[in-house]
Amino acid sequence: KQEVTQIPAALSVPEGENLVLNCSFTDSAIYNLQWFRQDPGKGLTSLLLIQSSQREQTSGRLNASLDKSSGRSTLYIAASQPGDSATYLCAALNDYKLSFGAGTTVTVRA
Amino acid sequence: DVKVTQSSRYLVKRTGEKVFLECVQDMDHENMFWYRQDPGLGLRLIYFSYDVKMKEKGDIPEGYSVSREKKERFSLILESASTNQTSMYLCASSFSLAGSVGQETQYFGPGTRLLVL
Repeated sequence: KQEVTQIPAALSVPEGENLVLNCSFTDSAIYNLQWFRQDPGKGLTSLLLIQSSQREQTSGRLNASLDKSSGRSTLYIAASQPGDSATYLCAALNDYKLSFGAGTTVTVRA
Repeated sequence: DVKVTQSSRYLVKRTGEKVFLECVQDMDHENMFWYRQDPGLGLRLIYFSYDVKMKEKGDIPEGYSVSREKKERFSLILESASTNQTSMYLCASSFSLAGSVGQETQYFGPGTRLLVL
């Protein structure tokens, strides 16, 4: 059974600092690894999807890397802004099923 | 833009009531999913459907059933609500690539926060 872990559970940084969010998974036989953003009381918004054959994906200030062999993915957010404050979840896809981490809640202080 | 809507944002029900949660997507997606989200536990898959009238159990199907009579609509049913079903319920949908379920990103609705008293 896939287990996905995100550490730390919460993170607070001053505006402008780069953010590094970590995700680890136990079963490396994944189709892809996805990162989502969730604002309080809201649904999830897809940020990046990395296929198993890829090493990284980029979208604007966001960059996600994937190392299947070590069971790790990292989400980098450059030059953080207060609007980046949210909970970030990673999810690993095996067969049909997405397994989610519990998330890292980020606060960016102005 | 893909839109996934859920019938209610907040619901309060009594123990033993039958509860229906509705989800509708407008992108002709084959796959639809129901999750529940609890603090510290993340999202857990309850049921999913890869076609009309088809359903598969997820990790925590006990106490729930689902219905998919039309492609755009996926309903979650709590036959007899209990207090341990108080949670945030999230619906999602995705496109099927080459007949494989779930290899594309999932699009989520805004969630229904259910309180069972």
